[in-house]
Amino acid sequence: DQQVKQNSPSLSVQEGRISILNCDYTNSMFDYFLWYKKYPAEGPTFLISISSIKDKNEDGRFTVFLNKSAKHLSLHIVPSQPGDSAVYFCAASEETSGSRLTFGEGTQLTVNP
Amino acid sequence: EAQVTQNPRYLITVTGKKLTVTCSQNMNHEYMSWYRQDPGLGLRQIYYSMNVEVTDKGDVPEGYKVSRKEKRNFPLILESPSPNQTSLYFCASSLRQGLDSGANVLTFGAGSRLTVL
Repeated sequence: DQQVKQNSPSLSVQEGRISILNCDYTNSMFDYFLWYKKYPAEGPTFLISISSIKDKNEDGRFTVFLNKSAKHLSLHIVPSQPGDSAVYFCAASEETSGSRLTFGEGTQLTVNP
Repeated sequence: EAQVTQNPRYLITVTGKKLTVTCSQNMNHEYMSWYRQDPGLGLRQIYYSMNVEVTDKGDVPEGYKVSRKEKRNFPLILESPSPNQTSLYFCASSLRQGLDSGANVLTFGAGSRLTVL
């Protein structure tokens, strides 16, 4: 069973507009959430994270929102840039499992100039 | 430079021929893990290790073995590869000190693309 789901395999936006990537989870024990970005021929790199005690975390152009009641999180990129074109993975973990992350399927973001 | 190094980056092999994918990290991380990435399935954990001589199964361990004899190395062993193990493999590591320190953040290697014919 897929405990972390990213239902949109792909997303295309115009440069300068907002990109919104969504992620849903089913395991109520998850209490730490992360977003990773992956370029072709490279490993995933950490982008931003959020603890379950917060509902928002911001880092420059990137903001992650967490809705625990809906078991939903989203990543907002504003403004989007062509260099943001990559696959974005949502991941979750339980405090007791430490670094053991469960990943979603990934969403391919394409930002058009 | 702090990094996770995997080798080989690309490998084509045949069914049944044992192979090892090496992984080494230079960050003195306690936690190491192997993932495989397949289309539509995202990253799935194969095995992980909390520290030297401590390993455990992830979500898809069948057909794989690992060892953690030294803190920096965590090789992935395919004793008898089969075509369904054709995939992109990633090794990752982290400090694993607790949530607040952000130590759950995994640092990934560049990946090893394996094809089993």
